[in-house]
Amino acid sequence: QQQVKQSPQSLIVQKGGISIINCAYENTAFDYFPWYQQFPGKGPALLIAIRPDVSEKKEGRFTISFNKSAKQFSLHIMDSQPGDSATYFCAARTSRSGYSTLTFGKGTMLLVSP
Amino acid sequence: DVKVTQSSRYLVKRTGEKVFLECVQDMDHENMFWYRQDPGLGLRLIYFSYDVKMKEKGDIPEGYSVSREKKERFSLILESASTNQTSMYLCASRLSGSYNSPLHFGNGTRLTVT
Repeated sequence: QQQVKQSPQSLIVQKGGISIINCAYENTAFDYFPWYQQFPGKGPALLIAIRPDVSEKKEGRFTISFNKSAKQFSLHIMDSQPGDSATYFCAARTSRSGYSTLTFGKGTMLLVSP
Repeated sequence: DVKVTQSSRYLVKRTGEKVFLECVQDMDHENMFWYRQDPGLGLRLIYFSYDVKMKEKGDIPEGYSVSREKKERFSLILESASTNQTSMYLCASRLSGSYNSPLHFGNGTRLTVT
């Protein structure tokens, strides 16, 4: 119930291509879906997030698509650049003991080749 | 800019030792979290604290405890370190009061237990 399933585990995309990372969940109590980006040697940082009452959110080259009925959401990176090479985590927010926590997917390691 | 500082970047300890991982944040955040990050397993929540002297178990609390005596400091304690606790440990903080307040992560402590 608390799981967020993320795929693929790793992804290689050519420069200028589209990177797509998918996540799925079961728990309908999840009410907020952020994506975090992590560069080697650094902690994850918030990239973009969406609420379940919105089907799409776009920030620059990054777009989240959200399908509430299918309980799936995905991150699209348009015109992928070598600087986008990082590990990406999807996450979902829920209440635990009355407090807000995030459950993370297992991560996707993205490599954008020059 | 929020800064979350983890006292050690790398730590090597022996099996059975008591280990303290320290985390300090400078933005007066109420909420603090400890995650561990393992390849293929993503980020898993160990413990979290919503206020001083308050603590709640996450998904994998076994073998760990925490201490939050001051608002800015959240310590993770391995009572008797074991080799299966070799991992990257990430501390995070967030401002309470808003569901979409992001997690701010430190750069992690890589712990090796031999």
